[in-house]
Amino acid sequence: DSGVTQTPKHLITATGQRVTLRCSPRSGDLSVYWYQQSLDQGLQFLIQYYNGEERAKGNILERFSAQQFPDLHSELNLSSLELGDSALYFCASSVAGGFEKLFFGSGTQLSVL
Amino acid sequence: GEDVEQSLFLSVREGDSSVINCTYTDSSSTYLYWYKQEPGAGLQLLTYIFSNMDMKQDQRLTVLLNKKDKHLSLRIADTQTGDSAIYFCAENGNAGNMLTFGGGTRLMVKP
Repeated sequence: DSGVTQTPKHLITATGQRVTLRCSPRSGDLSVYWYQQSLDQGLQFLIQYYNGEERAKGNILERFSAQQFPDLHSELNLSSLELGDSALYFCASSVAGGFEKLFFGSGTQLSVL
Repeated sequence: GEDVEQSLFLSVREGDSSVINCTYTDSSSTYLYWYKQEPGAGLQLLTYIFSNMDMKQDQRLTVLLNKKDKHLSLRIADTQTGDSAIYFCAENGNAGNMLTFGGGTRLMVKP
């Protein structure tokens, strides 16, 4: 158990809908990362937050947004969902957000039908 | 852009050594990592190597880094059936923890 908690584990929804994925980092970790794992794109970095502020942005679509709250949990919002958004979404956390170990959650499997 | 390549599949017999290879393009990588993913689980950090090192050993795991050829390998000694999983190579460029992952190598260990 990495200590990173993601909910829900599975999510099935329809095209055009909006969903929110939630992540609680390990106790004491200030930085949260979101990654998308799909069959065609592999594992891709989406976005990083550090202590509530956006730190880095990767291949995140404009339809997607994220935030980190004062209690350090993070939410990833996916809107106007398309079939191609079906993927496993991972959250990871680290102590500060620099060159440290990342601890990954078990992921949220999103299926868009 | 940055690119990390791995072979898709490796099959070994229990007790043999496994060697998983990875090539990367970003010469500014500070750290290179090996992660393990078991079915239904997240990615577990196995080991990592700093870019100014050639080798790192951690129990059954040996990481070799050839910075000139941008080649990274993970050797698992005395491979067990519990080692069956997908192994990902990753590098961080010079951007902290914005990791770029390879496509993963599925390791199958036969009894």
